[in-house]
Amino acid sequence: EAGVTQSPRYAVLQEGQAVSFWCDPISGHDTLYWYQQPRDQGPQLLVYFRDEAVIDNSQLPSDRFSAVRPKGTNSTLKIQSAKQGDTATYLCASSFPGLGGHTNTGQLYFGEGSKLTVL
Amino acid sequence: AQSVTQPDARVTVSEGASLQLRCKYSSSVTPYLFWYVQYPRQGLQLLLKYYSGDPVVQGVNGFEAEFSKSNSSFHLRKASVHWSDSAVYFCAVSIDNNRIFFGDGTQLVVKP
Repeated sequence: EAGVTQSPRYAVLQEGQAVSFWCDPISGHDTLYWYQQPRDQGPQLLVYFRDEAVIDNSQLPSDRFSAVRPKGTNSTLKIQSAKQGDTATYLCASSFPGLGGHTNTGQLYFGEGSKLTVL
Repeated sequence: AQSVTQPDARVTVSEGASLQLRCKYSSSVTPYLFWYVQYPRQGLQLLLKYYSGDPVVQGVNGFEAEFSKSNSSFHLRKASVHWSDSAVYFCAVSIDNNRIFFGDGTQLVVKP
């Protein structure tokens, strides 16, 4: 089966510019996550969706970051007015329901990530 | 809130030697625990997970991990490492199987 696909793989911006990252999860996976991974750190959860609904966006810097998943399949993460502190790799992951459909299995399937450098 | 600490940023071992990567967690309840691996230029992949029951769980490629409630730990082990095991290993924790929180990772270098 096809894995999680992300694009673009790399982006280089000046401060103040905007960028969008796109994610295509594995078919049939209802939950989609966006993580931010700064260099030499672990992934940090930004937001996650179940189908088209945002379940938790408490860690998303809402003034400049936004994320959507309008049809419950592909998702876009947008950064407006990027700052040097946004330099990181942005990871998308998907997961499928566990028993009963109320929670996930805990196994996340990750894409290769989109590496952002803000100069 | 839950969190994970991986105290060793980098571990170097010789090929064929045994391995232990340390992971300590903090959680108000017994969490779900995971180890993920990130090979160069690849996405993170699940190695193994612990939900309940036998505290020693087996994973892929000969890896295993042991859960200790008394020590709040979930250390990863392998009896004999191969050069292809060189990668970054992440311990992760969740209390609801939905929000999964990662440590900062341990880079494993296997010397020939």
